Amino acid sequence: RKEVEQDPGPFNVPEGATVAFNCTYSNSASQSFFWYRQDCRKEPKLLMSVYSSGNEDGRFTAQLNRASQYISLLIRDSKLSDSATYLCVVNRASGQNFVFGPGTRLSVLP
Amino acid sequence: GAVVSQHPSWVICKSGTSVKIECRSLDFQATTMFWYRQFPKQSLMLMATSNEGSKATYEQGVEKDKFLINHASLTLSTLTVTSAHPEDSSFYICSARDGYGANVLTFGAGSRLTVL
Repeated sequence: RKEVEQDPGPFNVPEGATVAFNCTYSNSASQSFFWYRQDCRKEPKLLMSVYSSGNEDGRFTAQLNRASQYISLLIRDSKLSDSATYLCVVNRASGQNFVFGPGTRLSVLP
Repeated sequence: GAVVSQHPSWVICKSGTSVKIECRSLDFQATTMFWYRQFPKQSLMLMATSNEGSKATYEQGVEKDKFLINHASLTLSTLTVTSAHPEDSSFYICSARDGYGANVLTFGAGSRLTVL
């Protein structure tokens, strides 16, 4: 089983739609969780950290369920500029290493 | 915010040659940097953790003699792909933890290597 797994995608949604991505991780001792976005042929950029109580940043909402080892990202009112690959990132408990999920590709269509 | 500079952005080389990629933290000191590789339509795969002043820690399956890592200062780590072959063609990205105490990775812009 991979350390971090995500919805396979791709997701093709119209502008204005709400879309949710799911991520699961296998290491129950993982401590830190993030969502990054990666545009084609570019480096990943931090979208948001994920906190235990859940957190929101504008149109983006992240949730963490430690019992189920599950993380989600909700995007409301999708924009064309949201088109990217969304990467779920988890840190390993044993050190500073961060493990990336395979990513879920989102295309927001006009 | 934290900035990581990576150079070169693009490199094309002949099979059998070696290629060096530099990763610099511009406005903070990074005792640890991470090197990732990404093949087309795949996610980032951690290759190794670069530790300032000591040996790098390689992930399972990554040949340390093939991918030489040097982290001689608090702001510079280098990855050298030795005797490159076409299958080494990939997108190599370095990252460092934000130097301001946040547990966040900042990435360089990546280096796209094509081996002919």
